[in-house]
Amino acid sequence: SQTIHQWPATLVQPVGSPLSLECTVEGTSNPNLYWYRQAAGRGLQLLFYSVGIGQISSEVPQNLSASRPQDRQFILSSKKLLLSDSGFYLCAWTANTEAFFGQGTRLTVV
Amino acid sequence: RKEVEQDPGPFNVPEGATVAFNCTYSNSASQSFFWYRQDCRKEPKLLMSVYSSGNEDGRFTAQLNRASQYISLLIRDSKLSDSATYLCVVRGMDSSYKLIFGSGTRLLVRP
Repeated sequence: SQTIHQWPATLVQPVGSPLSLECTVEGTSNPNLYWYRQAAGRGLQLLFYSVGIGQISSEVPQNLSASRPQDRQFILSSKKLLLSDSGFYLCAWTANTEAFFGQGTRLTVV
Repeated sequence: RKEVEQDPGPFNVPEGATVAFNCTYSNSASQSFFWYRQDCRKEPKLLMSVYSSGNEDGRFTAQLNRASQYISLLIRDSKLSDSATYLCVVRGMDSSYKLIFGSGTRLLVRP
């Protein structure tokens, strides 16, 4: 069966520090991968999606970037975090039906 | 206009009540529809897909109205454990299969 792993679960980082969040999927090939962010009390905002290795589409201009170095690995990065980057970051995958989410990373930028 | 709109609630209902949520979507080309449930500080989890003919899963019934571009979720005999945020999700037909989420409707079931 397919599983999705996302880490770390929580992260507290100072303003201006770099960020790297990793997500891996097991049990499937060539999944579509997504990064979402959820601000406190708000809905999910799609940040990036990828339909294949090295292919990244950005949905909103921001301080973040994404990379897909391997078929089942999706990485979210920032060179310098802003206070406004705080939120709940969720990785998800889909084949051609519903999406399945990782457990999320709660990022607090201080 | 948001692509997917929901009443944020909260809907505060007693145990055993029947409650219904609606969701509207703006893109008439949308092809797939889902309801997700999200508990506080947790990831969203699929509750049910929504089919054109409507579908039922135990106490939950989902319906799609393409002409009016809305989907609904009906919960019968509410349980305390149904308390959560319910997210309406829509997907188009392009190759990205990206899902667009509504902001969610919060349900509180009281004893």
